[in-house]
Amino acid sequence: DVKVTQSSRYLVKRTGEKVFLECVQDMDHENMFWYRQDPGLGLRLIYFSYDVKMKEKGDIPEGYSVSREKKERFSLILESASTNQTSMYLCASTPGRDTQYFGPGTRLTVL
Amino acid sequence: DAKTTQPPSMDCAEGRAANLPCNHSTISGNEYVYWYRQIHSQGPQYIIHGLKNNETNEMASLIITEDRKSSTLILPHATLRDTAVYYCIVRVEGAAGNKLTFGGGTRVLVKP
Repeated sequence: DVKVTQSSRYLVKRTGEKVFLECVQDMDHENMFWYRQDPGLGLRLIYFSYDVKMKEKGDIPEGYSVSREKKERFSLILESASTNQTSMYLCASTPGRDTQYFGPGTRLTVL
Repeated sequence: DAKTTQPPSMDCAEGRAANLPCNHSTISGNEYVYWYRQIHSQGPQYIIHGLKNNETNEMASLIITEDRKSSTLILPHATLRDTAVYYCIVRVEGAAGNKLTFGGGTRVLVKP
């Protein structure tokens, strides 16, 4: 079974803090994605990566950065967290076809 | 990606088959039909996908009409754990950075 894990299920941070969300997949997938999901807005792509050290902006990259130093790990970074970044963050990976495997999600609250 | 239309909600009795419809009348010849579901407070889960032939796996069956303008996801024996929002997505394989776009989905409630 494909396994995608995320570092935290729930996280509470304060405005201005630097936040790291980690995602690890164990299936040697090339492609990894970070989405956020908000009520009424569906899934929105923040960043994705096709390979190690490679990253591409998604639809809403502002306020975020990413890091992919190893194939199995894709990190999302909020340089200075703001309240409008309170959301459910979902990581996904795929071997190159369209079936995406999602992690359990991290519900981030920024106070 | 083609637009899909799904009923907003449906109930199903535990142990019975759940038939979830999806309309995709503007689907193109190279677009696949994908189904995902999302149980409350969890990440989305891939269920099944197909191009034009009917497909079956351990989770569900996918029936695609001959004109490909609609499809039905069948959960053969619904359990309480199948309560979730089910998303029908139509897209070209490998398109646009492989990102997924979920519409409203169908909120399925399986009742004892």
